[in-house]
Amino acid sequence: DAKTTQPPSMDCAEGRAANLPCNHSTISGNEYVYWYRQIHSQGPQYIIHGLKNNETNEMASLIITEDRKSSTLILPHATLRDTAVYYCIVRVLIYSGNTPLVFGKGTRLSVIA
Amino acid sequence: DSGVTQTPKHLITATGQRVTLRCSPRSGDLSVYWYQQSLDQGLQFLIQYYNGEERAKGNILERFSAQQFPDLHSELNLSSLELGDSALYFCASSVQDYHEQYFGPGTRLTVT
Repeated sequence: DAKTTQPPSMDCAEGRAANLPCNHSTISGNEYVYWYRQIHSQGPQYIIHGLKNNETNEMASLIITEDRKSSTLILPHATLRDTAVYYCIVRVLIYSGNTPLVFGKGTRLSVIA
Repeated sequence: DSGVTQTPKHLITATGQRVTLRCSPRSGDLSVYWYQQSLDQGLQFLIQYYNGEERAKGNILERFSAQQFPDLHSELNLSSLELGDSALYFCASSVQDYHEQYFGPGTRLTVT
């Protein structure tokens, strides 16, 4: 079962920041937080991951609370192409082959013109 | 383009039949994963192979099987198909120890 809780849906105005929350109150010390998104019926796409520190890449920023029980994915300037289902996943990274992803229901983000 | 290829893109078949889905991972990726996405169950992990060996199993039915070949491509075999097997089947690949999994475009299976 997924170890995360996300709101089922959110709206965001085009050009504004989209802040997607995720609760992972039972996260273990060696589990990472990952975000993926799925646009329509395409294959899921990796966005970003983090362990303790906040992270930023060309797609998004990830803010993890100090107690690591929740996190927020930030899309700084949402566009219509960011409309998708966003999945927050916690997972251990192990040596000699990664572990599978366990997807929950995710948040359906609708970016509105 | 993730670099992961899946064939066929669409597949329509009848109940009771057997089909094979094919996945070619990104160059150099040793791990291959199969996921099923249906309307009622969401995205579910089926099985993982790492360098030719089964590494992890998820909610994969006994009627389903998979293998990874020496050239690292993988095939998912679905037999005695039922209407409920209609779904999108995704393959993903990753490099050992890397965080990202790269997903293919999927195969849409319709069982009639």
